[in-house]
Amino acid sequence: EDQVTQSPEALRLQEGESSSLNCSYTVSGLRGLFWYRQDPGKGPEFLFTLYSAGEEKEKERLKATLTKKESFLHITAPKPEDSATYLCAVRFSGGYNKLIFGAGTRLAVHP
Amino acid sequence: GAGVSQSPRYKVAKRGQDVALRCDPISGHVSLFWYQQALGQGPEFLTYFQNEAQLDKSGLPSDRFFAERPEGSVSTLKIQRTQQEDSAVYLCASSLAIRNTEAFFGQGTRLTVV
Repeated sequence: EDQVTQSPEALRLQEGESSSLNCSYTVSGLRGLFWYRQDPGKGPEFLFTLYSAGEEKEKERLKATLTKKESFLHITAPKPEDSATYLCAVRFSGGYNKLIFGAGTRLAVHP
Repeated sequence: GAGVSQSPRYKVAKRGQDVALRCDPISGHVSLFWYQQALGQGPEFLTYFQNEAQLDKSGLPSDRFFAERPEGSVSTLKIQRTQQEDSAVYLCASSLAIRNTEAFFGQGTRLTVV
């Protein structure tokens, strides 16, 4: 069964304390892995798409990497404004374009 | 507007009432998706349109849920005879092309069934 699992469920960091969020997936025929950020009361905001193992993407303090089984979202020297829920999703062959989402990691960065 | 627009933002319905949720996708976007998000969970797929054609409705939880996109732009998600378990945030997303493009989400409609 196609599945996406994110860990940890919640993460509390001090400002400047770097860390990583994990997204592991089991799908047949990966057609893209997506990272989104979601703030309370808002829709998910697109961050990155990764298509093949070894690929990396960066945006400000965020860096996403992909292997054949999982993806990591690395947060370097986070700031309080990075606090949000980070969602991972996969698109797979045979699924038209639908995304299967993980439950998310709730990140809180404290000053 | 520049983004995906959903209305209403909030809807309170009495159990048994019918509701209609609207989505205005980004202009020119071919693909349109509806997702349901329960509190503390990731979005779950409901249905997918490519232009006006509904190609995948495998995620609709029951025959009380119905979606349409008659002219290939605005879409409506209708829920008949609402139940308490229908309470959730309903998210609409659109993407420019059919394959390998990112989906952009609206703010969602929070439905509360009382």
